[in-house]
Amino acid sequence: DAGVIQSPRHEVTEMGQEVTLRCKPISGHDYLFWYRQTMMRGLELLIYFNNNVPIDDSGMPEDRFSAKMPNASFSNLKIQPSEPRDSAVYFCASSFNTYEQYFGPGTRLTVT
Amino acid sequence: DQQVKQNSPSLSVQEGRISILNCDYTNSMFDYFLWYKKYPAEGPTFLISISSIKDKNEDGRFTVFLNKSAKHLSLHIVPSQPGDSAVYFCAARRAFGGSQGNLIFGKGTKLSVKP
Repeated sequence: DAGVIQSPRHEVTEMGQEVTLRCKPISGHDYLFWYRQTMMRGLELLIYFNNNVPIDDSGMPEDRFSAKMPNASFSNLKIQPSEPRDSAVYFCASSFNTYEQYFGPGTRLTVT
Repeated sequence: DQQVKQNSPSLSVQEGRISILNCDYTNSMFDYFLWYKKYPAEGPTFLISISSIKDKNEDGRFTVFLNKSAKHLSLHIVPSQPGDSAVYFCAARRAFGGSQGNLIFGKGTKLSVKP
């Protein structure tokens, strides 16, 4: 298996633009997680899905952030409009039965 | 409120010696604990885990110890190798409740193993 795949690996955008981050989980995994890592706050959970259904989105910072999982093979995280304080590394992870989570390589987002 | 704490942001160890990374938690509802290793520009990689019904789990050079009464776990790496230099994250899973599936991560400890 190729592992969790994220795209793009790097994204540089201007404030106010829409940003879309994509994730393909490991085949057969039933949980998908979106995390954000910053120096100040460390690794924080934004939202997670079980069988494509959002279970907990309490970590989503504000309404500018949204995430969907239309099928078991794909999820996206959108930020609209983006702001400089959204600059961070965004990780997607997947797991089977809520035990070990397997992370993708991350997307480094820079909002100028 | 930080439920999983790694109080040492960094640790430096000589190659061949033991590395001990510590983690404390506050929530007695946690039932499963994990350690992840992260290299720069990569995602965290699962390393080893332990269930709350055990007090020790070993995998090669890596051993995790759990002290439930103290709400403390530690990761021992013996012998340490330069390739072990990375940031290590401790994580815990809640057994019950609305957010059963997610992990709570500590802020990480950067381990440097010097040749």
